[in-house]
Amino acid sequence: EDQVTQSPEALRLQEGESSSLNCSYTVSGLRGLFWYRQDPGKGPEFLFTLYSAGEEKEKERLKATLTKKESFLHITAPKPEDSATYLCAVHSYSSASKIIFGSGTRLSIRP
Amino acid sequence: EPEVTQTPSHQVTQMGQEVILRCVPISNHLYFYWYRQILGQKVEFLVSFYNNEISEKSEIFDDQFSVERPDGSNFTLKIRSTKLEDSAMYFCASTPDSSLNIQYFGAGTRLSVL
Repeated sequence: EDQVTQSPEALRLQEGESSSLNCSYTVSGLRGLFWYRQDPGKGPEFLFTLYSAGEEKEKERLKATLTKKESFLHITAPKPEDSATYLCAVHSYSSASKIIFGSGTRLSIRP
Repeated sequence: EPEVTQTPSHQVTQMGQEVILRCVPISNHLYFYWYRQILGQKVEFLVSFYNNEISEKSEIFDDQFSVERPDGSNFTLKIRSTKLEDSAMYFCASTPDSSLNIQYFGAGTRLSVL
């Protein structure tokens, strides 16, 4: 069964303090791995998609990387507006189209 | 920037009543989805829809649920007889391309079943 596990559940950082969020996955063939940002009471907002091990994507203070078993979302010098829940999701070859989400990491950045 | 639009933002209903949640996907997208998120839990897949047919559904999506694309722009989720445990945020998503499968989500409808 395809599974996605994210850690930590919650992370509190000081503004400017860099860190990484982890997403471990077990799938029957990875078609794509996605990172989303979710603000309270809102829908997931697409950030990145990664398709093969070794791939990296960057956007402002965020950088996503992918290995055969996990993905990391690196946050460099975060600002308070980066506070949100970050969701990892996978699309596997066992499914036509559904993506399976992890529980998310709730990130808080203190000014 | 194009976005997925969902209405209403909040729906309150009595147990046993029928509800219809509405979505307008991004205009050139061909694949449509419904997900739900019970408070404090993961986002869960319900159903995918392409070419006027359900292409995939989860075990959650039982006979109480149905989807429809009644015209060229709307995509609806109907729950026939709501239960307390149907209370959740319901998200609509769409993508133009099933191979890349980048799904864009709406802001959601909060369904409260009393």
